[in-house]
Amino acid sequence: DGGITQSPKYLFRKEGQNVTLSCEQNLNHDAMYWYRQDPGQGLRLIYYSQIVNDFQKGDIAEGYSVSREKKESFPLTVTSAQKNPTAFYLCASSMPRDSYGYTFGSGTRLTVV
Amino acid sequence: AQTVTQSQPEMSVQEAETVTLSCTYDTSESNYYLFWYKQPPSRQMILVIRQEAYKQQNATENRFSVNFQKAAKSFSLKISDSQLGDTAMYFCAFHAGSARQLTFGSGTQLTVLP
Repeated sequence: DGGITQSPKYLFRKEGQNVTLSCEQNLNHDAMYWYRQDPGQGLRLIYYSQIVNDFQKGDIAEGYSVSREKKESFPLTVTSAQKNPTAFYLCASSMPRDSYGYTFGSGTRLTVV
Repeated sequence: AQTVTQSQPEMSVQEAETVTLSCTYDTSESNYYLFWYKQPPSRQMILVIRQEAYKQQNATENRFSVNFQKAAKSFSLKISDSQLGDTAMYFCAFHAGSARQLTFGSGTQLTVLP
């Protein structure tokens, strides 16, 4: 079955560490997105990519970095510059300007310890 | 910039009853799409229903229907015959024809009571 796989499901980060969240899709979608979800704030866009080797900052990109070397993969790195990284992270994909919405992964819960 | 507002952070409804979740949006675009997503306790985001702005007819998917008022920029979700499995966070989302990403509201936590 086609879909989006996020891993790991739970991730713990120590202060000062960089961590990378994985997102892989086999839907042949061109566009991929990373959202952060905090209680009471809905989903906020971190980064998105419309094609391979190209990506754009979203509303809250500071302290995060991404790469898009393959169509199927869009990993998100949470750097030590992100001062409040504890959150739920959702990856999604779509065809560009697709009017049918996004397909979402199951998310990664990141906690700073 | 587009904004999406959900003014009801929490709602509850008795099983088998009907409930309506509110959503308003602001845009200067003429071509756009509206969505309702459901996020159950598993936290998997699931598309519930979509509406194309150029269509006057309200979308319907089984027990879920929308009341789309384009002039008022309102897009409410009605859930009929509520079931325990409808307990979830519901997000309204907007996608303009010219935009590259969805804009989400802050969500409404719906609890269906037995």
